[in-house]
Amino acid sequence: RKEVEQDPGPFNVPEGATVAFNCTYSNSASQSFFWYRQDCRKEPKLLMSVYSSGNEDGRFTAQLNRASQYISLLIRDSKLSDSATYLCVVIKAAGNKLTFGGGTRVLVKP
Amino acid sequence: EAQVTQNPRYLITVTGKKLTVTCSQNMNHEYMSWYRQDPGLGLRQIYYSMNVEVTDKGDVPEGYKVSRKEKRNFPLILESPSPNQTSLYFCASRGTGQGAYTIYFGEGSWLTVV
Repeated sequence: RKEVEQDPGPFNVPEGATVAFNCTYSNSASQSFFWYRQDCRKEPKLLMSVYSSGNEDGRFTAQLNRASQYISLLIRDSKLSDSATYLCVVIKAAGNKLTFGGGTRVLVKP
Repeated sequence: EAQVTQNPRYLITVTGKKLTVTCSQNMNHEYMSWYRQDPGLGLRQIYYSMNVEVTDKGDVPEGYKVSRKEKRNFPLILESPSPNQTSLYFCASRGTGQGAYTIYFGEGSWLTVV
């Protein structure tokens, strides 16, 4: 089993709709979690950190469920420009090893 | 402007011909790392460095070498490239303290080994 797993998608989303997807991790000692966005074959860029209590940044909401060992990302009012691959990043406790999920591809269509 | 710069961006080379991909960052970051990205396999860490003269293997180090003689530079060396090293490579850096975990990536280097 992979340390960090994501549904590769694609999630085909009508413009204006809401889409949500998860990222599961296997190491219960994982400490920090992030969502990165990657456009086609470009470098990943930080979208948002994921805090224990959940957090929101505009149309994006991230949540952490430690009991079930997953994080989620929800995008409201999807825009065409939200089409991208979303990577989750998990950092193990007391370490500097970052593990990336394989990414979830989102396609927003008119 | 905060930047991670890698070169070359695109390279086609032949099996066995040594090559180096350079990486430089201007943010005085302690931590630097190399990743390769392949379809269906996501980003996999090759090597990382916690500081000058401190390097360690990531998940897929075979066939690669690195060095960290200066804080800003972290070159990736392929001593004898093989076709299975054809991939998209990213260099990344991050600092410590507040915002420690924001990873800054270079634009990527497309490498083809024939």
